[in-house]
Amino acid sequence: KAGVTQTPRYLIKTRGQQVTLSCSPISGHRSVSWYQQTPGQGLQFLFEYFSETQRNKGNFPGRFSGRQFSNSRSEMNVSTLELGDSALYLCASSSRRNEQFFGPGTRLTVL
Amino acid sequence: KQEVTQIPAALSVPEGENLVLNCSFTDSAIYNLQWFRQDPGKGLTSLLLIQSSQREQTSGRLNASLDKSSGRSTLYIAASQPGDSATYLCAVSPPWSGGGADGLTFGKGTHLIIQP
Repeated sequence: KAGVTQTPRYLIKTRGQQVTLSCSPISGHRSVSWYQQTPGQGLQFLFEYFSETQRNKGNFPGRFSGRQFSNSRSEMNVSTLELGDSALYLCASSSRRNEQFFGPGTRLTVL
Repeated sequence: KQEVTQIPAALSVPEGENLVLNCSFTDSAIYNLQWFRQDPGKGLTSLLLIQSSQREQTSGRLNASLDKSSGRSTLYIAASQPGDSATYLCAVSPPWSGGGADGLTFGKGTHLIIQP
C-alpha cells in the first residue's frame, strides 16, 4: 500500500506571495491533517479534513487555509507569506483507529 | 490546554545499551498516544500506537507503556543500534469526537544518538 505523498518537496517563495501544497493520503483513508514544524515551536496542528469538510482547526491565522477533494486528496494554501512561515509542512492521513501516518513533508522557505 | 513534555531532550549512549525515553502529558483525557521517530529532514514514522484503554504495546525491540492516570508514557528500546539514532516524538490525541482524526499534541522530542 502506498504511503502518504506530498508535493512539492521543496519550495522557495518571497514575502507576500502565496503557496499551495498538496497531499495524497493512504488509499482508503478519508481523514487528512496538516501540521507545521519549526525548530522553535515544534510540531503544531493546523487543521483536519474529513469527507471534504474541515472538522478541526488549530490556532493559526486565517492566511492558512485548506480543502479536501472527493478523492480525499487535500491541499493547503498560505497567503501573504511571512518570513515566519518558513517551516516543514507535514500531512498525515488517519486510519479508523486514529493512527496517523505522515508524509515526507514540504520544506517551505520564505525569503 | 494539553501540554506534552519529553525528557531527556537529548541522549547519547553506546551501542547495545537498553534505554528509556519519557513522555508526560498534563490532561489525562486522551484518546490514544503515539510514538514516532523522525530522521533529519524527513517526515515522521509511526512506531507504536497505544489506545487509552491499553497499558502497553510492543514491536520488535520497542516497548511503549501508558499510565493515563498519571499522565506518563515510556518508550523502551532494547539492545540499541546506530540505526536507532533519530529524534523520537511522543504525541497524544484528544478524546474521540465521532470519526476521523483530531489534532495531535506533540512533545518537543528526544534527540537520540547511538554511538557505534
